[in-house]
Amino acid sequence: AQSVTQLDSQVPVFEEAPVELRCNYSSSVSVYLFWYVQYPNQGLQLLLKYLSGSTLVKGINGFEAEFNKSQTSFHLRKPSVHISDTAEYFCAVFSGSARQLTFGSGTQLTVLP
Amino acid sequence: DADVTQTPRNRITKTGKRIMLECSQTKGHDRMYWYRQDPGLGLRLIYYSFDVKDINKGEISDGYSVSRQAQAKFSLSLESAIPNQTALYFCATSEPLATSYNEQFFGPGTRLTVL
Repeated sequence: AQSVTQLDSQVPVFEEAPVELRCNYSSSVSVYLFWYVQYPNQGLQLLLKYLSGSTLVKGINGFEAEFNKSQTSFHLRKPSVHISDTAEYFCAVFSGSARQLTFGSGTQLTVLP
Repeated sequence: DADVTQTPRNRITKTGKRIMLECSQTKGHDRMYWYRQDPGLGLRLIYYSFDVKDINKGEISDGYSVSRQAQAKFSLSLESAIPNQTALYFCATSEPLATSYNEQFFGPGTRLTVL
């Protein structure tokens, strides 16, 4: 079975500060990992994905994530956030043994002026 | 034009009513999914379909049914709506796993309120 834990339900941060949104997963086989972003009143949009290769993955809007197999983590980072980054962020995992994507419970990022 | 569309975008209904939510896509994907989103619970899979003749239950299928009318259309029905089905519903699509690793593309969502 696969599961995803997003450790922080809400993360407030001031504009231009760095941010890290944490994601841990559990799976007994190789995994593929995704971060999605949901802006207010919109659907989910893919931010970045890890399929294989380099463990540091760069996505849209200046976000990046690092796959750490030993710690089973896929934390999302941005060195300097903007007001427009205010949104809910979802981590998701897919493993070869599953037929479906499993989502975490989400982290609401609020960027304060 | 949006690749994945959902209708209606908002719906208020009463307990016991039958409701259908519709999803259409122009991405040409074979795989389609229905999720519901509740605060603090993330997205949970209701049903998924790998092609017109392959429909599968997800994590929370009780109280729901689906119809895959064509490759591009996937409808979700609540036969007798109840208040705890009040949620935001999303449709999604994906390419076959070998090429997409299940990367999914989402519609804008339908906000359903059951009174």
